[in-house]
Amino acid sequence: GAGVSQTPSNKVTEKGKYVELRCDPISGHTALYWYRQSLGQGPEFLIYFQGTGAADDSGLPNDRFFAVRPEGSVSTLKIQRTERGDSAVYLCASSPLGLAGNTGELFFGEGSRLTVL
Amino acid sequence: RKEVEQDPGPFNVPEGATVAFNCTYSNSASQSFFWYRQDCRKEPKLLMSVYSSGNEDGRFTAQLNRASQYISLLIRDSKLSDSATYLCVVIPQGFSFIFGKGTRLLVKP
Repeated sequence: GAGVSQTPSNKVTEKGKYVELRCDPISGHTALYWYRQSLGQGPEFLIYFQGTGAADDSGLPNDRFFAVRPEGSVSTLKIQRTERGDSAVYLCASSPLGLAGNTGELFFGEGSRLTVL
Repeated sequence: RKEVEQDPGPFNVPEGATVAFNCTYSNSASQSFFWYRQDCRKEPKLLMSVYSSGNEDGRFTAQLNRASQYISLLIRDSKLSDSATYLCVVIPQGFSFIFGKGTRLLVKP
C-alpha cells in the first residue's frame, strides 16, 4: 500500500497477556516512530528508529515495552504483562528524513487500538 | 514542566471568526516546530511548519517567539471544516517529535 499500515486495528486482551503490534512504514522511509495516544491526550512519544537501530527510546514507559525493526522496514512494538493502563491507540509514523535534516512531516498509520481488560 | 504545553480548549467560535492558539515549549535549544491537525478518531497530519520569521499558508499563519518560547497558530475566516484538534509539535533534540496535548477547535454555523 501507499501509506503506513498498522495491524491489528483493534486488539482486546486480558491483563497480564503479551501483545505485539505491527507497523509497515511507507517504502523507503528510513525513520519510524511509535506513539501512544489516550483519549483527550496528544500522541505520547515512545521510540524512534533510524534504520534498524533505536535512535531514541527515552519514551518507553518501562521495561515491559520493547520495539524492534530488524530489517529497517517493518517494526513490531511488544508489550509484556499488559496492564489496564496500557489501553490506548498505538500510532506508528514514518518519515523520509535522513541524518541531514527533516521536513517535519510524519506520515501516520491509522493506529492500533489496544484494550486491556 | 511538560516539554510542550497547550490550552486544551475547546475553543468554540462562529464561522468567519479569527482564532489563535498558543503553545509553549520548555527546551530553549529546540530547533524545529510544527502544527499538526487531528480529526476525531483519525491520525494526525501535518498542517504547517513554523519558521523563525513566521509563515503563512492561506488562512493559516504560524509564528515563533524564541525569547518567550512559544509558537502560535492563527486561523482567519474560520470554516466549519476547520473543526479539529490542533497539535503543537516540537523537536527538542535529535529527531524526536514531541506533541502537545492539542487544542480542540469547534467552528459553529
